[in-house]
Amino acid sequence: QKEVEQNSGPLSVPEGAIASLNCTYSDRGSQSFFWYRQYSGKSPELIMSIYSNGDKEDGRFTAQLNKASQYVSLLIRDSQPSDSATYLCAVIRGGTSYGKLTFGQGTILTVHP
Amino acid sequence: SAVISQKPSRDICQRGTSLTIQCQVDSQVTMMFWYRQQPGQSLTLIATANQGSEATYESGFVIDKFPISRPNLTFSTLTVSNMSPEDSSIYLCSVRGGSSGGSYEQYFGPGTRLTVT
Repeated sequence: QKEVEQNSGPLSVPEGAIASLNCTYSDRGSQSFFWYRQYSGKSPELIMSIYSNGDKEDGRFTAQLNKASQYVSLLIRDSQPSDSATYLCAVIRGGTSYGKLTFGQGTILTVHP
Repeated sequence: SAVISQKPSRDICQRGTSLTIQCQVDSQVTMMFWYRQQPGQSLTLIATANQGSEATYESGFVIDKFPISRPNLTFSTLTVSNMSPEDSSIYLCSVRGGSSGGSYEQYFGPGTRLTVT
């Protein structure tokens, strides 16, 4: 089982729709969860962090965490063509700030006009 | 978040040579890391750069191939030694903690695109 696994892509949604990206992780002791966005040819950009069960909203982005199910998701509302990128789920294993940040394989999102 | 710069941004090198990549942060950070991202792949951690001591390497990466220095809390170097075409990749510096933001949030530099011929 991979440490961090994302739903297989690529994902294509029409402009204005909700894009849903999903991620599961294997280490039940993990406490810190992140979503990065990576445009082609660029480095990853941190867009959301979540540490507690439930939802966390930031503009058009909502991160959802369910530790019991070891599941974290990212919803992008009113998707725009500029949201087209690879989205990486990442988890710090263990419960300290010194753990290793481990990435999923990424999901390519395309928002078409 | 901290501003992270890397030099060079890209390079083309001949096999058998070495390249040193520099990472500079505009503020002191607790942790610095080096990652590799091969074409079409996700990020793989090479090592954690420890200030004033030897880096901590991940499985599959060794000091002789990827020597790392971290002389202070704002600077680190990664050397890719005795390069082969398989080392062609993007190398990314990453930081966590300190004044860069929350103690758990991790940020990435712009990367160094290395091509080995």
